[in-house]
Amino acid sequence: AQKITQTQPGMFVQEKEAVTLDCTYDTSDQSYGLFWYKQPSSGEMIFLIYQGSYDEQNATEGRYSLNFQKARKSTNLVISASQLGDSAMYFCAMIFAYSGAGSYQLTFGKGTKLSVIP
Amino acid sequence: NAGVTQTPKFQVLKTGQSMTLQCAQDMNHEYMSWYRQDPGMGLRLIHYSVGAGITDQGEVPNGYNVSRSTTEDFPLRLLSAAPSQTSVYFCASSPLAGRSTDTQYFGPGTRLTVL
Repeated sequence: AQKITQTQPGMFVQEKEAVTLDCTYDTSDQSYGLFWYKQPSSGEMIFLIYQGSYDEQNATEGRYSLNFQKARKSTNLVISASQLGDSAMYFCAMIFAYSGAGSYQLTFGKGTKLSVIP
Repeated sequence: NAGVTQTPKFQVLKTGQSMTLQCAQDMNHEYMSWYRQDPGMGLRLIHYSVGAGITDQGEVPNGYNVSRSTTEDFPLRLLSAAPSQTSVYFCASSPLAGRSTDTQYFGPGTRLTVL
């Protein structure tokens, strides 16, 4: 079964510094997508960045970038120049083929709570 | 565009009551899904739909029913609420039938408490 693991329940980072949030996954599929979502204290789920299993380049979106290591089955999120507004829960998720209906399902890790210190 | 909308935002039920959580999207997305979020558990898939008239179960479907009569709407029904269904419920949608490249967009969530 597919599984997403986020080993850091909580992280602290000084404002303006970079931080890396870890995510590993387990799948036997060759085609899959990896996502990161941010959940601030207000509760909404905000899409941040996506990496496809066949993408050769690491994904980047503004201050967010992924360190995608396919052989190690890891996709770590790097946030550069942290801001106070980055304090939130961060979820790694993977979409994989679900053979029952020929469609795909999104599986989430348990999240990492990031706190940015002024 | 409103995106994905959910109603109500908050709900308190008594054990055994039934209710429907509403979800609607105005982006003409084929794929819609329901998740529940419990403390320390991340989000878990309850049911999903790849188009009008087509639904299937996710990881935690027991106690919930869904239907998809239109592309826009995907209601989640609790037939007989139990305290174990106290959670935050998120509806999400994506453009096509959940291809590996399609981002899922989430509604604001419904916080449900069952007493």
